[in-house]
Amino acid sequence: NAGVTQTPKFQVLKTGQSMTLQCAQDMNHNSMYWYRQDPGMGLRLIYYSASEGTTDKGEVPNGYNVSRLNKREFSLRLESAAPSQTSVYFCASSEALWSEADTQYFGPGTRLTVL
Amino acid sequence: AQSVTQPDIHITVSEGASLELRCNYSYGATPYLFWYVQSPGQGLQLLLKYFSGDTLVQGIKGFEAEFKRSQSSFNLRKPSVHWSDAAEYFCAVGAGGSNFGNEKLTFGTGTRLTIIP
Repeated sequence: NAGVTQTPKFQVLKTGQSMTLQCAQDMNHNSMYWYRQDPGMGLRLIYYSASEGTTDKGEVPNGYNVSRLNKREFSLRLESAAPSQTSVYFCASSEALWSEADTQYFGPGTRLTVL
Repeated sequence: AQSVTQPDIHITVSEGASLELRCNYSYGATPYLFWYVQSPGQGLQLLLKYFSGDTLVQGIKGFEAEFKRSQSSFNLRKPSVHWSDAAEYFCAVGAGGSNFGNEKLTFGTGTRLTIIP
């Protein structure tokens, strides 16, 4: 039982390049989330998926797209990377969306640098 | 919308000493409150959470937190810290239930804990 896995762990991009961050969970959770973590700003929600086939914007969605490929996988795509997207990206999953029983389980993160 | 304030950016304590990390929240109704810990290079791990009932909540690794509605606080405590407790700690508040969407889980900016021998 690996929990939440993310690939890659590190990535360096040039401005304008595109890439996809992958996330998978093996806990049969319904809901998945993408956050970014920046110094002094805590975690901010980019997108979330309440269940397979649905996605919604979070607090900072501009410049990103997501795909809930199936129940296990939730990917985050940067179509044209910008230096402002330099951050650590965390994927998380939970049994249900914001429910009382909800505990979010986090992946180890992807450290992205955009030059 | 809810908000969370962690007033201490960095705290240093001696190993074996007691610890209290502060968390203040703003939310109109009864909040759902969480403490997460992040070890260097790792993701976040849930320490404890409060939804209702007993205002003193016990968590993993010997941590506890007390919900004080009158003070809008949810401070994290540990009676005796260990060197392995060195990490960053995040408080979070959520509305839960059917209020998803804008009423999401909101994280504080974190408190970095350093343990000295």
